[in-house]
Amino acid sequence: ETGVTQSPTHLIKTRGQQVTLRCSSQSGHNTVSWYQQALGQGPQFIFQYYREEENGRGNFPPRFSGLQFPNYSSELNVNALELDDSALYLCASSLQNSYNEQFFGPGTRLTVL
Amino acid sequence: GESVGLHLPTLSVQEGDNSIINCAYSNSASDYFIWYKQESGKGPQFIIDIRSNMDKRQGQRVTVLLNKTVKHLSLQIAATQPGDSAVYFCAENINNDMRFGAGTRLTVKP
Repeated sequence: ETGVTQSPTHLIKTRGQQVTLRCSSQSGHNTVSWYQQALGQGPQFIFQYYREEENGRGNFPPRFSGLQFPNYSSELNVNALELDDSALYLCASSLQNSYNEQFFGPGTRLTVL
Repeated sequence: GESVGLHLPTLSVQEGDNSIINCAYSNSASDYFIWYKQESGKGPQFIIDIRSNMDKRQGQRVTVLLNKTVKHLSLQIAATQPGDSAVYFCAENINNDMRFGAGTRLTVKP
């Protein structure tokens, strides 16, 4: 069984640029959630995708958007990057009826200069 | 602001002792409360959850207690081991909106 993988592991961008982060969910999991984790803080929920549709969203602006593909993999896109977007971005997969037990990837560390 | 929070940012225990990590919450609409563990350089790992209509739930070496009267949640780890050293987060699930607290760093001394 393959766990959750994310790419890239690290990324450096400049203010105003756009970024796409990728996630492959654990085999058999149909739900993917994305989180932003600032240094020393808990993860903050960005949004969740289930069956290729957004199924919940946290308090993040529209420049944070996502996709889920038929194989349940997912992308997080962030437009017009700001310095405060620098963080660890975590992807987590789960079954929709076992949402509490999410399996997290190792994250992508994004630095915005 | 955050609806879940932790009483202490750090906790240090002796190997073999029991650990208790506490968490306060403010939202009574939570369906579930969940504990996650995050080791350095890794994503969080699910430990245990408890439904909001329960008071106690036990897992392997862990027990979660929920006191709805004072809106308090705790995670007890029995016979703490060096591998338990990590940051522990409590989280609440409100209609599939998972809200994490800031975390408590547990350090296990040999």
